[in-house]
Amino acid sequence: DVKVTQSSRYLVKRTGEKVFLECVQDMDHENMFWYRQDPGLGLRLIYFSYDVKMKEKGDIPEGYSVSREKKERFSLILESASTNQTSMYLCASSLPSAITDTQYFGPGTRLTVL
Amino acid sequence: SQKIEQNSEALNIQEGKTATLTCNYTNYSPAYLQWYRQDPGRGPVFLLLIRENEKEKRKERLKVTFDTTLKQSLFHITASQPADSATYLCALGQGGGNKLTFGTGTQLKVEL
Repeated sequence: DVKVTQSSRYLVKRTGEKVFLECVQDMDHENMFWYRQDPGLGLRLIYFSYDVKMKEKGDIPEGYSVSREKKERFSLILESASTNQTSMYLCASSLPSAITDTQYFGPGTRLTVL
Repeated sequence: SQKIEQNSEALNIQEGKTATLTCNYTNYSPAYLQWYRQDPGRGPVFLLLIRENEKEKRKERLKVTFDTTLKQSLFHITASQPADSATYLCALGQGGGNKLTFGTGTQLKVEL
C-alpha cells in the first residue's frame, strides 16, 4: 500500500514564524502536491512537483515556498506565517499516468497561526 | 475559468436507501473524473475513476455515471450504511501526469 506521511498532525505557530511542513511518500512516486483545505473552499493546490528539484505553482502559491531535494520528500515552507494561513494542509503523491493520476493523500496537518 | 460544483448542503438519508451525489463542471474538458471519500480530520481516499468515453462504472455498492454532454457525474451508494457517512469529493483531470482539480465536496450522513 502507498503510504504518505506528514510530519505533524497538529501544529501551533505564532505570526511571523517560519514554518516547515514535511511530507514523505514510500512508493517512488514522481509527482507530489501540497494543498490547503478550508471549509466551503475545498482543496486548493498550493504547489506541486513532477521531479526532484522541480516545482510549479498551483492556484494559491502566495506566501508559500516548497523544496524537493529527494524524490520521496516534499516540504512546504511558510516564510512568515500569518493568521490567514491557519488551515488544514494536505500532501499527496501520484505516479505520472496518461490515464489516471490517482492521488494518495497523507493524514493532513492542522496548522493554527496565532 | 474552470468550475466544479458539488452540493454544499449536507445530504441526510436513511440507512438502506440509495444516496446520490452530484458533480457538475463548466469550462472543462476532462479526460476522466474521480471520486474520493474524506473522513473528518483525514486525507481523501480514492474510490473510483471513470473515463470520458465511459458512461457508467461500478464497484461493489458504488456506481458512477459520467455525462460529458451535460457536464455532470452522479455518484450513487446503494444500500447505504452509517459507515458510509463522510464527505465525498469529485476531481477532474486531463491525464498525462497532470494535476487534478477538486470540487468542494458533499457531506453525506446516513441515519439509522
